[in-house]
Amino acid sequence: GQQLNQSPQSMFIQEGEDVSMNCTSSSIFNTWLWYKQEPGEGPVLLIALYKAGELTSNGRLTAQFGITRKDSFLNISASIPSDVGIYFCAGHNTDSWGKLQFGAGTQVVVTP
Amino acid sequence: DTGVSQDPRHKITKRGQNVTFRCDPISEHNRLYWYRQTLGQGPEFLTYFQNEAQLEKSRLLSDRFSAERPKGSFSTLEIQRTEQGDSAMYLCASSHVLGQGVFYGYTFGSGTRLTVV
Repeated sequence: GQQLNQSPQSMFIQEGEDVSMNCTSSSIFNTWLWYKQEPGEGPVLLIALYKAGELTSNGRLTAQFGITRKDSFLNISASIPSDVGIYFCAGHNTDSWGKLQFGAGTQVVVTP
Repeated sequence: DTGVSQDPRHKITKRGQNVTFRCDPISEHNRLYWYRQTLGQGPEFLTYFQNEAQLEKSRLLSDRFSAERPKGSFSTLEIQRTEQGDSAMYLCASSHVLGQGVFYGYTFGSGTRLTVV
């Protein structure tokens, strides 16, 4: 089963607000990734992080690779309606090439 | 390049029937992965291929499940004697990795939604 704890489980926010979510693991990862999934579609990669402490942005999205290598954070600034979806964190280790471990997801709902 | 394609998008089957799903990865990608996703959960790893070789299988992949990737191109995932617990979204993904190169993440397909009734 999944070993990543992702929180919160869901968020209901107003357009223009910022969103923060995080993911923790019982084990160390070499790579953290954040995906977004919309209904009926597969996950789409948003941000990949490769180094402890790394802070990376993709437009209004900013993600950080925790210093302990056991956690990661995703922030969405100034949310808009198209930010609606489920956001997943995923961890990867170089000794398990190919296999990702996913969190259970954070559902984001944006109201006008 | 149209990305990762999966067929069919939806499949409804009666319990006990066999089903087969197909995945066409991005053409230059040498790795192909299968994941299963149930409602309210993140994807769970099932198996992956490097070219035509199946390199790892999850314990989730019972004897009723088999995956192939002949000639290192498309892949099929077959479920025999389906059970209601097999109802899920089956996701395929592909990537290109050279040796111990940097992992850039997957490109997922849109998935096949299986409903066993």
